Amino acid sequence: EAQVTQNPRYLITVTGKKLTVTCSQNMNHEYMSWYRQDPGLGLRQIYYSMNVEVTDKGDVPEGYKVSRKEKRNFPLILESPSPNQTSLYFCASSLGLAGVVDEQYFGPGTRLTVT
Amino acid sequence: GDSVTQMEGPVTLSEEAFLTINCTYTATGYPSLFWYVQYPGEGLQLLLKATKADDKGSNKGFEATYRKETTSFHLEKGSVQVSDSAVYFCALSLYTGRRALTFGSGTRLQVQP
Repeated sequence: EAQVTQNPRYLITVTGKKLTVTCSQNMNHEYMSWYRQDPGLGLRQIYYSMNVEVTDKGDVPEGYKVSRKEKRNFPLILESPSPNQTSLYFCASSLGLAGVVDEQYFGPGTRLTVT
Repeated sequence: GDSVTQMEGPVTLSEEAFLTINCTYTATGYPSLFWYVQYPGEGLQLLLKATKADDKGSNKGFEATYRKETTSFHLEKGSVQVSDSAVYFCALSLYTGRRALTFGSGTRLQVQP
C-alpha cells in the first residue's frame, strides 16, 4: 500500500530534550516536506526537500532541522524543543515532477506536546 | 504574499442538505487550487483539485470550480452524509522550487442524522 508513515504518533516531552520525528514514504517520491498545523492557522511549511541531500527552509523553519540521506526518509529534528513547538506535525511527499504542481500525500500526523 | 481565506466553522447541517464552503485566494501568478479533507485522527487527503481557470474539480459528489475573476474555489455538495463530517482545507500551490501548499485555516463540517 502506498503510504507516508510517521513515528511516533504522539509524543510528550520536556523543554530542551532533543527529539526526532521520523517520516518514511514507499512511493519513490523525490519531494518531501514537513508542515505544522496550529488552530486557526491551517498548515505551514517548515522544511522541504527536492531530493537526496537537497533541503531548504519553508515558512517557519526556526527551531527545526531536517536531513535527507535516503530518498524514502525525511526526519524532523528538534534539538532543543520549546513549548511554542507544541503542535500537530505532518510529513508529505510527492513525485516532484518538473513543471507540474503534483499531488502531495500526507502522513497521519504526530501530535507533539512540549512542557 | 499568497494567502487563502475560508469561511469559519463549524458548519452544522442535517443529512441530505446542500453544502457550500467558501474559499477565496490571493496569489502572485496562476496557482493550482486544492481541497483537502481531514477526518478525525487522520492525515489530510486530497479531495479534488483544479489547475487552471474555469476547471472544475470533482470527487465523491463534491465539486469546486476555479474562478479566476472572483479568485474563488468554493466547495459544494448537493446532499451531505454523516460520513462527510470532517475538516476541509482549501489550499493553493504555485509551481516554484518550494512547492509549498498555502492552506486556509480549515472549516469543520458536522452533519447530523
